[in-house]
Order: sequence, then C-alpha cells, then structure tokens
Amino acid sequence: AQSVSQHNHHVILSEAASLELGCNYSYGGTVNLFWYVQYPGQHLQLLLKYFSGDPLVKGIKGFEAEFIKSKFSFNLRKPSVQWSDTAEYFCAVNVSNSNYQLIWGAGTKLIIKP
Amino acid sequence: NAGVTQTPKFRILKIGQSMTLQCTQDMNHNYMYWYRQDPGMGLKLIYYSVGAGITDKGEVPNGYNVSRSTTEDFPLRLELAAPSQTSVYFCASRPTGHNTEAFFGQGTRLTVV
Repeated sequence: AQSVSQHNHHVILSEAASLELGCNYSYGGTVNLFWYVQYPGQHLQLLLKYFSGDPLVKGIKGFEAEFIKSKFSFNLRKPSVQWSDTAEYFCAVNVSNSNYQLIWGAGTKLIIKP
Repeated sequence: NAGVTQTPKFRILKIGQSMTLQCTQDMNHNYMYWYRQDPGMGLKLIYYSVGAGITDKGEVPNGYNVSRSTTEDFPLRLELAAPSQTSVYFCASRPTGHNTEAFFGQGTRLTVV
C-alpha cells in the first residue's frame, strides 16, 4: 500500500535557524506532491505543490521543497524561520492510479522559539 | 467565493447521541472528502465522494455515514456517538483531475462525553 512518512513528529528551532522537514513516499509511479500547513487553531492551507517540471518548487512565505525522484522524497526547506512559522506541516501525495485520493503523512509539529 | 464551509465549529455530544456535520463548497468541485485528525496521527480519510450521488468508504468509515445529493453539499452523519469519535473533523473539496489541490474547511472540534 502507498504511504507517506514524515520523519520528525516534533521539531523545535530558534528564530533565524534553517529548517528542513523530511517527507518520503512509497510509490513507483507518477506522483503529485503537496505540503500543507496548519497554524494553531486554523484549517489546513496549501504551502506548495509539485506537479511536473522543475523539481525545486517555491511556495508561500519563503518555503521551498525539492522533489528527488530517485529518493522518493519531497523535503520542505526554509533558510531562516520566524516565530510565525510555528505550525504543523503535512506532506501529501496523489498517486497516478488514484485521481481522487490523497495520502497524508502524520505531520510535523514545528515550534519556533523567539 | 466562500470556499469550503463547515458547521458547527465546536460540539459536545453525549454517548449515543447523533449529529450531522455540515459541509458545503461553492467551487463546483466534484471531489469531496471527510477526514478526522487525531493528535500525532495525521489525517485519516473517513468517506469521500467523486460526484453527486457517488460516495465511498475511506480508511476509517465505521460509525459514520455520508450522502451527496448535490455537488455543493457533503454532510457527515454520526448515528451513535462514541468517545472514540472525539476528534477534529475536516471537510475538503478538490476539482476533478490529477493535477489539482484540495481546499479545506475550518474544521469541527467534536467531543463525545
């Protein structure tokens, strides 16, 4: 069965630190990849997405992610985090044999210390 | 556009009570989903629909029912509430096609006591 793994459930960083959140998926075919963010008390919002083309995608608020097909990975990065980045981050994958289903990672809670 | 609207935002139920969580979207999306979110567990798919009149079970459907009589509405029914159904519920919608993103509602925090 297809699955999505997010390696870190909790990450604590200081402001201005660099961030990388891991996401790996298990599926050998074509995929679409997403990162969603959930700020405290709010609903999930799209941070960035990869459908095709340049494997380095840029999202909102200075976030970017790189799709490495050989590693089945789509890691999220930000060079310098801010306190307002405190949130939970979810990786999701849409596989080519399922138009309607998104497969979700368990999420990573990110806490930024001011 | 209002996007995806869920009601209510909060609810406390007693064991054995029933309720319907409402979800409506005004984006004419064919795909709609109900998820539950439990701490440390990510999102679990309860039910989904690929169009009006078509619904199917997701990963955790037991204790829930859905209907999709119109494109806009996708209510989730809890018939006999149990403490295990204490969770945050999210409704989402998505246009047809592989290269599309999902849009989420604000969520319903349900506590069963």
